[in-house]
Amino acid sequence: AQSVTQLGSHVSVSEGALVLLRCNYSSSVPPYLFWYVQYPNQGLQLLLKYTSAATLVKGINGFEAEFKKSETSFHLTKPSAHMSDAAEYFCAVSSYNFNKFYFGSGTKLNVKP
Amino acid sequence: EAGVVQSPRYKIIEKKQPVAFWCNPISGHNTLYWYLQNLGQGPELLIRYENEEAVDDSQLPKDRFSAERLKGVDSTLKIQPAELGDSAVYLCASSQGDSYEQYFGPGTRLTVT
Repeated sequence: AQSVTQLGSHVSVSEGALVLLRCNYSSSVPPYLFWYVQYPNQGLQLLLKYTSAATLVKGINGFEAEFKKSETSFHLTKPSAHMSDAAEYFCAVSSYNFNKFYFGSGTKLNVKP
Repeated sequence: EAGVVQSPRYKIIEKKQPVAFWCNPISGHNTLYWYLQNLGQGPELLIRYENEEAVDDSQLPKDRFSAERLKGVDSTLKIQPAELGDSAVYLCASSQGDSYEQYFGPGTRLTVT
């Protein structure tokens, strides 16, 4: 069975500070991992993906994530937060054929001026 | 290109009433998903279509929920009768074949009173 745990339902950072959103997964097989962003009243948008190539994955809007198999983690980072980054972020794991996605419960990022 | 379109965006109904949600996927996307997103949670798959065939409806509560995708394009999700616990956001997403990249619509926010 596959599952995703996101530590911290709310994270608050100052503008310009490092963003770190945590995601741990459990999977019986090597997973594919994703981060999505959801702005208010909008659908989810893919930020980045890990599909068994490079372990450090770069996405849109300056975000990146590192797949660490030994820690079963896929934490999302951004060196310098921008006000426009305020949104909810979801980590997800999927089966090898992308037929089923399992989403975490989400982390709301607040960026303070 | 136009994104995934959902309507209505908001719906308020009384319990025991029927309700229907409509989704128009991105042109050419043969895979369509309906997700349920409860407040403070990540999306959970209800049903997945490949063309007009429902290939995964294991999480769809079939006593009150039904879905159809006639002609393999638009899809309708119905609840009859609605219960208070059905209050949530219903998301539609589409993808092309086995692609990992799902494109999400803005969702329909259902409130059952």
